[in-house]
Amino acid sequence: QQQVKQSPQSLIVQKGGIPIINCAYENTAFDYFPWYQQFPGKGPALLIAIRPDVSEKKEGRFTISFNKSAKQFSLHIMDSQPGDSATYFCAASNGNAGKSTFGDGTTLTVKP
Amino acid sequence: DVKVTQSSRYLVKRTGEKVFLECVQDMDHENMFWYRQDPGLGLRLIYFSYDVKMKEKGDIPEGYSVSREKKERFSLILESASTNQTSMYLCASTGAGAGETQYFGPGTRLLVL
Repeated sequence: QQQVKQSPQSLIVQKGGIPIINCAYENTAFDYFPWYQQFPGKGPALLIAIRPDVSEKKEGRFTISFNKSAKQFSLHIMDSQPGDSATYFCAASNGNAGKSTFGDGTTLTVKP
Repeated sequence: DVKVTQSSRYLVKRTGEKVFLECVQDMDHENMFWYRQDPGLGLRLIYFSYDVKMKEKGDIPEGYSVSREKKERFSLILESASTNQTSMYLCASTGAGAGETQYFGPGTRLLVL
């Protein structure tokens, strides 16, 4: 049973566009929602994270929007650049031995 | 900076061979994880460990075992490699001071012929 559903599987935007990646979770005990960015040949790395006490968090061009009642959160990338082309994973955890549940990933391509 | 290293970036093995994948972290993290990454399937947890000599099965432990004799080192063992174990293997760690962020190694791409 998948506990974090991520969409879309792939996304192509033009430079300057605003790609949006969505995730939905089921377990209401989750209290930490990170997004990871993975470039080809590298391991995933933390991009930005949010806790459910806020509805939005912004770091540079990256924003997480969080809707606790709908059990959904999304990543927005403002003014996207070709260098943002990567695979993005959402995740959720509840402090249980550091375990996280990951979405299936979204491959983003930003065309010049 | 946290550093998680994996012993090999690429490995080619034959069906039936015993395969060892090693992971070392330098931040004194309590928790370590092994995932496999396959296209369209995301990151699937194989095993994790929350302390030395402790291990817990993840979502897909069949065909794998692990060893954690020292806090900084977590090994994944394929007892008898099969072609369906061809994949990218990622190690990660987290612990006190890291919040719940997982720090990943660069991955080992394993091809089983």
